[in-house]
Amino acid sequence: NAGVMQNPRHLVRRRGQEARLRCSPMKGHSHVYWYRQLPEEGLKFMVYLQKENIIDESGMPKERFSAEFPKEGPSILRIQQVVRGDSAAYFCASSPVLAGGFLYEQFFGPGTRLTVL
Amino acid sequence: GQQLNQSPQSMFIQEGEDVSMNCTSSSIFNTWLWYKQEPGEGPVLLIALYKAGELTSNGRLTAQFGITRKDSFLNISASIPSDVGIYFCAGLGLGGGYNKLIFGAGTRLAVHP
Repeated sequence: NAGVMQNPRHLVRRRGQEARLRCSPMKGHSHVYWYRQLPEEGLKFMVYLQKENIIDESGMPKERFSAEFPKEGPSILRIQQVVRGDSAAYFCASSPVLAGGFLYEQFFGPGTRLTVL
Repeated sequence: GQQLNQSPQSMFIQEGEDVSMNCTSSSIFNTWLWYKQEPGEGPVLLIALYKAGELTSNGRLTAQFGITRKDSFLNISASIPSDVGIYFCAGLGLGGGYNKLIFGAGTRLAVHP
């Protein structure tokens, strides 16, 4: 059973370009989360998605950032017109839904390290 | 936003020593999770705690969910060089919402052979 897959592992963009980060959850998981990690810090929640729905985007910057999790295919985190401050590691996690509808463990992918020049 | 205070920030120990780290919060959490992150990788789940007072072990690792639901600790016994990494606590539910994990800033562990 493959774990959470993320690609690319490293992404370099110039200021003003777009960055697209992809995440394929673990098999059988229908809940996806995106987190951002700055150097020397813990992970910060960005957005929580289920298939075709954004459930909680309270951690997403209001501009330039968007996320989707289509019916088919991976979840995408999109950053438009990147700036140097967007440089960070972006992690995707997935979780199953257990009996009673509770969400418990989140399993993380290896991350995408975005560098904005 | 909600915060977890994780301490110590870093530890330098000799192989064979025991290690203890903890997380505290002003908010209540329903679930506490402990993760380990190695350079260039994502966090790997070590232990999950679901009930106040729960004590759970995973090999040389032991973690407890505090009775007040506002704290948790992780112990590593007889440390070995491969224990090196950053250990994060994370809380889920009530304190930060049921969907998002709230992470501590991490404890950086170095083990000298």
